[in-house]
Amino acid sequence: GESVGLHLPTLSVQEGDNSIINCAYSNSASDYFIWYKQESGKGPQFIIDIRSNMDKRQGQRVTVLLNKTVKHLSLQIAATQPGDSAVYFCALGGSYIPTFGRGTSLIVHP
Amino acid sequence: NAGVTQTPKFRVLKTGQSMTLLCAQDMNHEYMYWYRQDPGMGLRLIHYSVGEGTTAKGEVPDGYNVSRLKKQNFLLGLESAAPSQTSVYFCASSRGGVSTDTQYFGPGTRLTVL
Repeated sequence: GESVGLHLPTLSVQEGDNSIINCAYSNSASDYFIWYKQESGKGPQFIIDIRSNMDKRQGQRVTVLLNKTVKHLSLQIAATQPGDSAVYFCALGGSYIPTFGRGTSLIVHP
Repeated sequence: NAGVTQTPKFRVLKTGQSMTLLCAQDMNHEYMYWYRQDPGMGLRLIHYSVGEGTTAKGEVPDGYNVSRLKKQNFLLGLESAAPSQTSVYFCASSRGGVSTDTQYFGPGTRLTVL
């Protein structure tokens, strides 16, 4: 079955630094990948997505990179701000039921 | 446009009591989902629905029942609550289609079973 792993459960960065959150997956058939952000006490919120026919997609201060060869997904946050402190989940689409990773907690120090 | 709303926000139950959690979405989405989130466990799918009148089991369905009588509502029922069901419950919806679309989540319901 599918599995989604995260390389680090917690990532601490200084305000202004760039952050990179990684996600590994096992299902080669996955064709849609999503990153969510969950702030404390709230539900997950969509950040950015990418289809399998792309290897990079940019949003506002965020970039998602997809390496299908090694089945790896990353979320890059530029100039990290205190408001970016949250848990970040990657999710795999491609069926009725998305598969979520366990999440990485991003802590931004002022 | 309220998105996905959940009722109630908090609830405390005694073991053996029953309750229903209500999820409503105003985006005309086909798919709806119920998840539970426990510390260190991420999101686990309880039940889901791919359209009005349909429901299906997810990863952890035992002890829960669901109904989707109206497209905009998805109800999660606990017939006899147990302490193991203490958790935060999230409802989500998506447009649906061949590939899973982006999910929109509600604010969550924090349930404590004593």
